[in-house]
Amino acid sequence: EVQLLESGGGLVQPGGSLRLSCAASGFSFPSYAMTWVRQAPGKGPEWVSTISSSGTATYYADSVRGRFTISRANSKNPLYLQMNSLRAEDTAIYYCTAAPRMGNALNIWGRGTMVTVSS
Amino acid sequence: QAVLTQPSSLSASPGASASLTCTLRSGIHVGSYNVYWYQQKPGSPPRYLVRFKTDSDKQQGSGVPNRFSGSKDVSANAGILLISGLQSEDEADYYCMIWHNNSYVFGSGTQVTVL
Repeated sequence: EVQLLESGGGLVQPGGSLRLSCAASGFSFPSYAMTWVRQAPGKGPEWVSTISSSGTATYYADSVRGRFTISRANSKNPLYLQMNSLRAEDTAIYYCTAAPRMGNALNIWGRGTMVTVSS
Repeated sequence: QAVLTQPSSLSASPGASASLTCTLRSGIHVGSYNVYWYQQKPGSPPRYLVRFKTDSDKQQGSGVPNRFSGSKDVSANAGILLISGLQSEDEADYYCMIWHNNSYVFGSGTQVTVL
């Protein structure tokens, strides 16, 4: 079964850090570009970051650039999202997604992990 | 101005057809893009439905019924999701998406109600 499983979410104070993980199974993880998408309560999805299949190319939304880092160790997943200097507006469900190439349809989604930034 | 604009809501009767639009910002030409469509129900992640570039370059998501189809209105600079034969289970939020300037961009979504 094709599956993505996120973990690492939780409650963190403003200015704090969290590292999200995404474990892939049922498909060839090293061949896929991986993307984090978040969704704040009651809002639509928002792209956060994408990493190429090789890990050599990374892209970030302006809202997280310089604070978040996406990474992967191909032969041994998982995918990571290191989140530093967290703000209240980062509160959202964070979804791990996969596409055969960057720019292709995000056709595999995890169930998401909730991140709450609050004092 | 947002990159992708969608009407906030749409209502239709069971068995009817619903046409959801996704208008690209001026200066971004729909003809150059794949337009992706997603369906999201409460408590679930978005589900990939279709991709449309041209009549000869399109894709149906895995297991997605043919009732869902994509198209474009180039004169309106918009992508379109057509849902034929609406069913109660189609009640959901629908989002369009494009890959633009090395980023995925989502529309604000259309809430579809089946009356």
